[in-house]
Amino acid sequence: EVQLLESGGGLVQPGGSLRLSCAASGFTFNSYGMTWVRQAPGKGLEWVSAINSDGGYTYYADSVKGRFTISRDNSQNTLDLRITSLRAEDTAVYYCAKGALGSGYVRTALDSWGQGTLVTVSS
Amino acid sequence: EIVLTQSPGTLSLSPGERASLSCRASQSVSSSYLAWYQQKPGQAPRLLIYGASSRATGIPDRFSGSGSGTDFSLTISRLEPEDFAVYYCQQYGSSPPLTFGGGTKVEIK
Repeated sequence: EVQLLESGGGLVQPGGSLRLSCAASGFTFNSYGMTWVRQAPGKGLEWVSAINSDGGYTYYADSVKGRFTISRDNSQNTLDLRITSLRAEDTAVYYCAKGALGSGYVRTALDSWGQGTLVTVSS
Repeated sequence: EIVLTQSPGTLSLSPGERASLSCRASQSVSSSYLAWYQQKPGQAPRLLIYGASSRATGIPDRFSGSGSGTDFSLTISRLEPEDFAVYYCQQYGSSPPLTFGGGTKVEIK
């Protein structure tokens, strides 16, 4: 059974930094692209960032480019999202999600999702 | 960046009725790389449909997707109580960002 467990969320002041992690199990992690999606309170889904299976290609939404860094450790089956220069509008539940195809690419549907970790940016 | 517009914003229906949801793209979605997700309150999204019309594993056949190019739809043939939720479309046919639509809420009438 695929399991994705996010951690690292919390309350942080504007301008602060955070590292989110996603521990993956139940599938061959190094064969799948992985994605972060966020959801602000009461709002819709927003695609944030993605990384291909070997970590060689990374992608970001314009709203986070230059502030967020996605990475993965295929030896540990973990996905990370480093977030800096946090703003109030970054307040959201952050989900990690697995690509549906074992091609390693990020251009796939997302067939498994974690339960999310809440990031709150407030002074 | 492809913008996805979902309509209606809210659909008020009774159990047993048919639900038709629309997702319109600002430009053609390559290879019909369009997915639909269901999200219930307090839960993560769940993949329903990929490739515009293929049901994901374990999804009941009352859910069906169709469309191509810029116009896509999700149909729920007969609403069950557990189908009342928010539905999102997402395109993955272009280079990232892989955008989501704004969602359609299906509520009990």
